[in-house]
Amino acid sequence: GNSVTQMEGPVTLSEEAFLTINCTYTATGYPSLFWYVQYPGEGLQLLLKATKADDKGSNKGFEATYRKETTSFHLEKGSVQVSDSAVYFCALTDTGRRALTFGSGTRLQVQP
Amino acid sequence: DTAVSQTPKYLVTQMGNDKSIKCEQNLGHDTMYWYKQDSKKFLKIMFSYNNKELIINETVPNRFSPKSPDKAHLNLHINSLELGDSAVYFCASSQAQGAYEQYFGPGTRLTVT
Repeated sequence: GNSVTQMEGPVTLSEEAFLTINCTYTATGYPSLFWYVQYPGEGLQLLLKATKADDKGSNKGFEATYRKETTSFHLEKGSVQVSDSAVYFCALTDTGRRALTFGSGTRLQVQP
Repeated sequence: DTAVSQTPKYLVTQMGNDKSIKCEQNLGHDTMYWYKQDSKKFLKIMFSYNNKELIINETVPNRFSPKSPDKAHLNLHINSLELGDSAVYFCASSQAQGAYEQYFGPGTRLTVT
């Protein structure tokens, strides 16, 4: 079956530091890959997506590249802000099942 | 305008009671989902409906029964609530084509005492 593995948190950074959150996946076929963000007390927001190998998804300064050879979709941001503090989820869907398979989430804490 | 809405936002009830959570989307999507998020933030699919037809039914106790009166609504009814049902329940929707990116409601925090 499908699975997503994320680095465990919390990840604690100072403002303006570089962020990487690792994500690897196992899936049959050609899944679409996503990053979702959950701010405290809120629902999940789609942050970015990539639908095929070598696609780069980007939004709000965050980027992730779909790497089929390493089955990875690592999230990066060049300069984090306190407002980026949240839980980040890597996820995938496949064309057959449609439902999202989520990683366990990584909590990011950005200190001023 | 709210894209995916859920009611209620908070639900506190006692063991053995029956409760319902409602979900509505105004995105024109034809597929809707229920996910459960446990206390460790882990998210898992429960059900999925496409055009009012059940397409995913994960290993969920049959005390949980989804109902889709039309493709814009997906409700979740829970019978005989147990302590272990305490969680945050999220509704989501997506198109039936393309990457299936899903848009989530704000969640319903269910607490069973």
